[in-house]
Amino acid sequence: EADIYQTPRYLVIGTGKKITLECSQTMGHDKMYWYQQDPGMELHLIHYSYGVNSTEKGDLSSESTVSRIRTEHFPLTLESARPSHTSQYLCASSEYHEQYFGPGTRLTVT
Amino acid sequence: GENVEQHPSTLSVQEGDSAVIKCTYSDSASNYFPWYKQELGKGPQLIIDIRSNVGEKKDQRIAVTLNKTAKHFSLHITETQPEDSAVYFCAAIPNDYKLSFGAGTTVTVRA
Repeated sequence: EADIYQTPRYLVIGTGKKITLECSQTMGHDKMYWYQQDPGMELHLIHYSYGVNSTEKGDLSSESTVSRIRTEHFPLTLESARPSHTSQYLCASSEYHEQYFGPGTRLTVT
Repeated sequence: GENVEQHPSTLSVQEGDSAVIKCTYSDSASNYFPWYKQELGKGPQLIIDIRSNVGEKKDQRIAVTLNKTAKHFSLHITETQPEDSAVYFCAAIPNDYKLSFGAGTTVTVRA
């Protein structure tokens, strides 16, 4: 069982609010990832980090931002939430190729 | 970049029968092919993986085969059970650590 945590698990928030989705792992993995999962269940990489102070945008354009100040922590922030941001957000980490996923945050913007 | 196609999108099998999911990839540099299982309300969980120097790998009721020449790989689940019902994803990694996922297969095991 991988030790990767996401909070909150569920979030319903109004348009225009700033939100931060938390992701932390206790495995000491250098690499961390954020995925957006649409209703059709497809997984899209939106951000990744290969270490502290390193962040890159993924294949799917996203208005969210990320930071990596500590190895174990990789938060995702939306400055102004919109209904189009409603989705499932999954965080993952890896040492080499094997990625371990957290349980996800289901975000609903009303 | 890598493009992974996965078929079928849905699969319904009778309990005890076998299930097969197939994936193709485009980048010949891909060398790592994991399979993930996602149950309702949970994140994807790695269930088996295979590397490019291996043709087949088995773990109890699940097995994965890889054909590098044809650029396709498959997941086989034998003696299916109700707890095998889930969404399954294949993926591939070319030269970096970013996974390219297939679109997923929803497997339903009928009792």
